[in-house]
Amino acid sequence: QVQLQESGPRLVKPSETLSLTCTVSGGSISTYYWSWIRQPAGKGLEWIGRIYTSGNTNYNPSLKSRVTMSVDTSRNEFSLKLTSVTAADTAVYYCASSAGSYIDYWGQGTLVTVSS
Amino acid sequence: QSALTQPPSASGSPGQSVTISCTGTSSDVGSYNYVSWYQQHPGKAPKLMIYLVNKRPSGVPDRFSGSKSGNTASLTVSGLQADDEAAYYCSSYAGNNNYVFGTGTKVTVL
Repeated sequence: QVQLQESGPRLVKPSETLSLTCTVSGGSISTYYWSWIRQPAGKGLEWIGRIYTSGNTNYNPSLKSRVTMSVDTSRNEFSLKLTSVTAADTAVYYCASSAGSYIDYWGQGTLVTVSS
Repeated sequence: QSALTQPPSASGSPGQSVTISCTGTSSDVGSYNYVSWYQQHPGKAPKLMIYLVNKRPSGVPDRFSGSKSGNTASLTVSGLQADDEAAYYCSSYAGNNNYVFGTGTKVTVL
């Protein structure tokens, strides 16, 4: 069974770049889409985007100008960068695997706070 | 893109059934059979319960079922159990390689 673990800074200053990495174990990163989803405290889920191992990406139109995703198949990792963050970007960020149109495995999530 | 609309809350007694609606538009739910449902307990990651409108992943009880009519998808939980108390989110493909989640429904087992 695929397992995913998010890592990265938990505190980011406003206007800076949020960077997270997801390490995949228990399965090959060479299949599936690899996704990022976030959830502000007490609120709903928001799809950020996904990347395939070919490097092909799909981003939420509302975040597209600030989001970059990448994948490193040699390290079984994929990453998220979100630029020019504000307090509105404070959320639990989940990495996940997508078999297609649905998310089948989720990481445990990591809280990232944007604050000076 | 706008989030799919779900009722904020739903409830039922143990053994009863509860149905949660997920209303979108003709650009998402109404156009694609790519609706999925997720269960989220407090402080935990979501868990896939239904995919492709009405398919259950291995290990999900058949008490959970999904359907769709027009722009509205539904999740029904039959034979409610205490552990079903959680938040439920729908999701749909919205075209142009884009996905959208629902606003979420908190299910309470009375």
